[in-house]
Amino acid sequence: DAGITQSPRYKITETGRQVTLMCHQTWSHSYMFWYRQDLGHGLRLIYYSAAADITDKGEVPDGYVVSRSKTENFPLTLESATRSQTSVYFCASSESSAIVGEQYFGPGTRLTVT
Amino acid sequence: DQQVKQNSPSLSVQEGRISILNCDYTNSMFDYFLWYKKYPAEGPTFLISISSIKDKNEDGRFTVFLNKSAKHLSLHIVPSQPGDSAVYFCAASGDTGNQFYFGTGTSLTVIP
Repeated sequence: DAGITQSPRYKITETGRQVTLMCHQTWSHSYMFWYRQDLGHGLRLIYYSAAADITDKGEVPDGYVVSRSKTENFPLTLESATRSQTSVYFCASSESSAIVGEQYFGPGTRLTVT
Repeated sequence: DQQVKQNSPSLSVQEGRISILNCDYTNSMFDYFLWYKKYPAEGPTFLISISSIKDKNEDGRFTVFLNKSAKHLSLHIVPSQPGDSAVYFCAASGDTGNQFYFGTGTSLTVIP
C-alpha cells in the first residue's frame, strides 16, 4: 500500500531490552522523522534524516539510535529500553525540508516499557 | 523548555459556531507555522500553514492568523462541524531549518 507505515503498532517490552520500531514510506521522500508523543509535551523530535545515510539529532535523542541505509526505511532502536521511553512514537516523512514542507505521519507505535 | 505552547488543553463548541484555537511561541526566529489535526489511534495530518511574510491564510473553513509581534497564532474553524472533533497541534520551524517544534495540543469537541 502507498503511504507511510509503522510496525509494530503496539509493543510491550521489559526494561533493559533492545527494541526496534520500523518505519517505511513509499513516496521516496528525502526527509524522515521520528517523534514521540507524551502528555504535557506534545510531539517531540527524536531524530531526523535528510537522505539515506544522513541523520541528525532532534530535541530528545538520548537512548535512541537510528539508521537509514535505504531512502524508504528509517528504523528507530531503543538500545536499552527504560520506563521513561514508554510513549507513542510517530514516524513522518516529507519531500522537502521542514521549513517549507508539510510532514506526512504514520499511524504510530504505542510502546510500553515495563 | 516548551518553545511552542497551547495553553488550552480542551475546547468545546456548538456545531455551526466558530472554533478558535490558540498557539503562542517564544522563539522569534520561527518563520513557518503549521496546524495538524489528529484523530485517536491515527497519526497527525496536515491542515494549514502560514509563513511569516503573511498574517493570514485561508483554506475553506480553516483560517490561520499570525501576529508576529505578539508571537501568537490562531486557527479559526467556521462553521465548526462534528467531524472537526480532534486534537489540534500547532508547530513552528525556522531557527534550525529541519526541525518542527510542536505544541502540546488542544482537544476540540464540536457538539451536535
